[in-house]
Amino acid sequence: QQPVQSPQAVILREGEDAVINCSSSKALYSVHWYRQKHGEAPVFLMILLKGGEQKGHEKISASFNEKKQQSSLYLTASQLSYSGTYFCGTIQTGANNLFFGTGTRLTVIP
Amino acid sequence: EPEVTQTPSHQVTQMGQEVILRCVPISNHLYFYWYRQILGQKVEFLVSFYNNEISEKSEIFDDQFSVERPDGSNFTLKIRSTKLEDSAMYFCASSGGGRNYGYTFGSGTRLTVV
Repeated sequence: QQPVQSPQAVILREGEDAVINCSSSKALYSVHWYRQKHGEAPVFLMILLKGGEQKGHEKISASFNEKKQQSSLYLTASQLSYSGTYFCGTIQTGANNLFFGTGTRLTVIP
Repeated sequence: EPEVTQTPSHQVTQMGQEVILRCVPISNHLYFYWYRQILGQKVEFLVSFYNNEISEKSEIFDDQFSVERPDGSNFTLKIRSTKLEDSAMYFCASSGGGRNYGYTFGSGTRLTVV
C-alpha cells in the first residue's frame, strides 16, 4: 500500500530546480504532498484529486497522472527554506486512508 | 491559524506500562488520525476515527492499542502494555473533510520505552 518515492535524497544549490516522484501500484483517488522539517510535524502542501490535474502556487507545484498512478512534485528556484523531507501520501480508489511514501530528503545549500 | 495540539511532547515509560497520548484536534474537524514515525523512517498509519468510532485501522493497531474521544475536544491513543518497539514519534492529525482535504498534524509526542 505504501507508495514509492524517488529520489531518496537530493542536494541542490539555491536557485536550482528539483523533481520528486511518487509512484503507486494501486489505483489512486488522490495524492497529498507534505514537507517535514527535522523534529517537526509534517506540513500539508497540496492535494491532487482524481481527474489528472496539476496545481500549486508560485514555485512549488505538482501533477497527478492517475492512469500511471504517479505524481510529481516540482520545486523551482529552490530556497534554503525548502530543505526538509518531502512525503507523498496516497489514498487508493475505494479507500479512505492516507498512506505515506518512503520520503525524499531535500537539502538546499547556499 | 488553527492547530492540532498534542501532549505530552515527550514521554519516557518502562516496558509493560500503559501510556495515554493526548490530542486536541482542530475544533471543526470531523476526521481524526494517529500515525507514528520511528526515528528517521516512514510515517505509518495507525488508525482513523470518525463519528465517534474507528473507521479503519492498520495491522500495527493491535489489541494493545485503543483510541477514545472522551469529550468534545480530546482524542486519545492508549497503549496498554508498552514494548521497546513502540518507541517512536506519535502524530495526531485531523481533517475537515476526510479524503478530499489535507491533514493538519500536531507536533507529536516522542515516546521512549525503556
